[in-house]
Amino acid sequence: KQEVTQIPAALSVPEGENLVLNCSFTDSAIYNLQWFRQDPGKGLTSLLLIQSSQREQTSGRLNASLDKSSGRSTLYIAASQPGDSATYLCAVHPRYGGSQGNLIFGKGTKLSVKP
Amino acid sequence: DTGVSQNPRHKITKRGQNVTFRCDPISEHNRLYWYRQTLGQGPEFLTYFQNEAQLEKSRLLSDRFSAERPKGSFSTLEIQRTEQGDSAMYLCASSRVAGDKETQYFGPGTRLLVL
Repeated sequence: KQEVTQIPAALSVPEGENLVLNCSFTDSAIYNLQWFRQDPGKGLTSLLLIQSSQREQTSGRLNASLDKSSGRSTLYIAASQPGDSATYLCAVHPRYGGSQGNLIFGKGTKLSVKP
Repeated sequence: DTGVSQNPRHKITKRGQNVTFRCDPISEHNRLYWYRQTLGQGPEFLTYFQNEAQLEKSRLLSDRFSAERPKGSFSTLEIQRTEQGDSAMYLCASSRVAGDKETQYFGPGTRLLVL
């Protein structure tokens, strides 16, 4: 059974710091991995999608990497800003078992960037 | 592209009542997903549609839950005889599958509180 774990559960940093959020998954048979942002009481905003054949994706100050063989992904945020404060969720799209299409999520990392 | 919309955004009901939520996906997206999210957890898959066909239902989807997507466009999720444990955020997502690449786009969610 695919399980997704995110560490740390919460992170507080001063503005301007570079930071890394971690995601691990137990089964390397995945189609892709997706990182989301969720603001309190809101829906999810897709940040980056990495296909299983890719090793990283970049969007602005965000860089996500994928090491499928070790079951790990990282989300790197450069020069953090208070507006980056949110919960960041990692989700994998499993290749085998369960639904053909559903994502399996971690519990998220709650990021707080202090001015 | 106006994004995924969900209505209502909030619903308060008494235990035992029936509730219905609506999701309007991004136009031309052939897949539509329902997830449930409780406080401090990542979203959990409930069910999904490819066009009008319901292809998968999670074990979380008890007999009191039913979902439809009659014309392959909008979808409804009905909960009959609500229980306090049904209190959660109900999220809808849509996607257009292209090979192995599938990015799911989420709506703002419907927050349900069962008293």
